[in-house]
Amino acid sequence: DAGVIQSPRHEVTEMGQEVTLRCKPISGHDYLFWYRQTMMRGLELLIYFNNNVPIDDSGMPEDRFSAKMPNASFSTLKIQPSEPRDSAVYFCASSLRQTNQPQHFGDGTRLSIL
Amino acid sequence: AQSVTQPDIHITVSEGASLELRCNYSYGATPYLFWYVQSPGQGLQLLLKYFSGDTLVQGIKGFEAEFKRSQSSFNLRKPSVHWSDAAEYFCAVAPTGGGNKLTFGTGTQLKVEL
Repeated sequence: DAGVIQSPRHEVTEMGQEVTLRCKPISGHDYLFWYRQTMMRGLELLIYFNNNVPIDDSGMPEDRFSAKMPNASFSTLKIQPSEPRDSAVYFCASSLRQTNQPQHFGDGTRLSIL
Repeated sequence: AQSVTQPDIHITVSEGASLELRCNYSYGATPYLFWYVQSPGQGLQLLLKYFSGDTLVQGIKGFEAEFKRSQSSFNLRKPSVHWSDAAEYFCAVAPTGGGNKLTFGTGTQLKVEL
């Protein structure tokens, strides 16, 4: 079975540019999560969706960040405009509906903002 | 609010030696408990999980963890470490009351000396 697929794997762009990260969850999974990982702050939950609906976006750092899930098989995380402090590894994860189901992670997108 | 503490930031063990990684949680009831492993450049992979029942759970790659309610702990163990086990290990908890939102510890970086 295909796991969670994220693209691109690496992104290098200049400050001020728009960045779009993409995620394809595992087929049949009801939940989708976006995380950010940095050395300073560790693994942070940014937002998560249930059945394509955002449930909790309290971790989104500021209005420059937005996330969408237009259908069950695709989600995007957008940063506009990007800043150097947004440099991090961004992970997407998905899980089944039941509370005790583990999250399955993609390999992440390593984002560098120059 | 729930929280997870991994008191050891770095641990170094010799190949073939036993390993124990500590995890303590704070939660009003018994949460769902997970251990994940992250190899360099990759996403998090589930090692094992505890929901209920037998307090000693077996996972992949020869790992096991023991849930101790009295100590609010869920320590990860392996009898004999292999060089390929060098990675970062994360303990996580999820509420039993609903929702799949995980709270992660800050991680323990494991180094294996040959």
